[in-house]
Amino acid sequence: GNSVTQMEGPVTLSEEAFLTINCTYTATGYPSLFWYVQYPGEGLQLLLKATKADDKGSNKGFEATYRKETTSFHLEKGSVQVSDSAVYFCALTISGGYNKLIFGAGTRLAVHP
Amino acid sequence: GAVVSQHPSRVICKSGTSVKIECRSLDFQATTMFWYRQFPKKSLMLMATSNEGSKATYEQGVEKDKFLINHASLTLSTLTVTSAHPEDSSFYICSARATGGMGTDTQYFGPGTRLTVL
Repeated sequence: GNSVTQMEGPVTLSEEAFLTINCTYTATGYPSLFWYVQYPGEGLQLLLKATKADDKGSNKGFEATYRKETTSFHLEKGSVQVSDSAVYFCALTISGGYNKLIFGAGTRLAVHP
Repeated sequence: GAVVSQHPSRVICKSGTSVKIECRSLDFQATTMFWYRQFPKKSLMLMATSNEGSKATYEQGVEKDKFLINHASLTLSTLTVTSAHPEDSSFYICSARATGGMGTDTQYFGPGTRLTVL
C-alpha cells in the first residue's frame, strides 16, 4: 500500500540551527511528494512539492529532494527562525483517480530564541 | 492565487443539532474537494472525496448519513454534521484540487473549522 513515515517530534532547535525532518514513503506507481506546514490554529499550507525523481522543491529557505533510490523526501533548512515553529506534514499523491493525499503523522518543530 | 475559504471558522452547538460547514475555492475551479478531520496533535484523516455534481466517496468507517457532503458547484462544497454529539467535536479541514493548468496534483487547504459540541 501507499504510506508516509515521518520522524517523530517534537523537534526543538535554537534559532539559526540547521533543520532536517526525515520523510520516507512507500508507494505503488509514481507519486508526487509534498511538504505542508500548519501554523498554530491554522489550516495547512503547501510549503513545497516535487513531482518526479531528483526534483528539488524549495520555498522560504526550505528545500527537499525527491530521492527515488531511497524513497525519501527529507525537509531541510539551513537556518531556522522562531517563526518556523509549526507542524510539518509530509504527504504523497498517486497520479490518477482523485489524487488523494496520504499524510505522514506530522512533526512538530519548536524554535527557541 | 489558490485560496480556499471555510465558513464558519468556529462553531459551538448543542448536542443533537446539525451544523453546516462551507468550503469555497475563491480564485479557481475545483472539480474535486476533500474533507478531513484532525484530532488534537494528530494527522489529518480523510473523511470523503467530493466531486462536483456527483455523490461523495466516503472513506471506510465514516458514516455517510452523519456527515452529509454536497458539492453543488465548481467552487463550493458543504459538509453537514447531522445530529452532532460531543464526540464529533474536532477540527474539520477542506481542500480543493484545481482543474486544468494550475497543477492538478496539488490540493489547496482551507483554514479549518473548529466544531465544539456541548
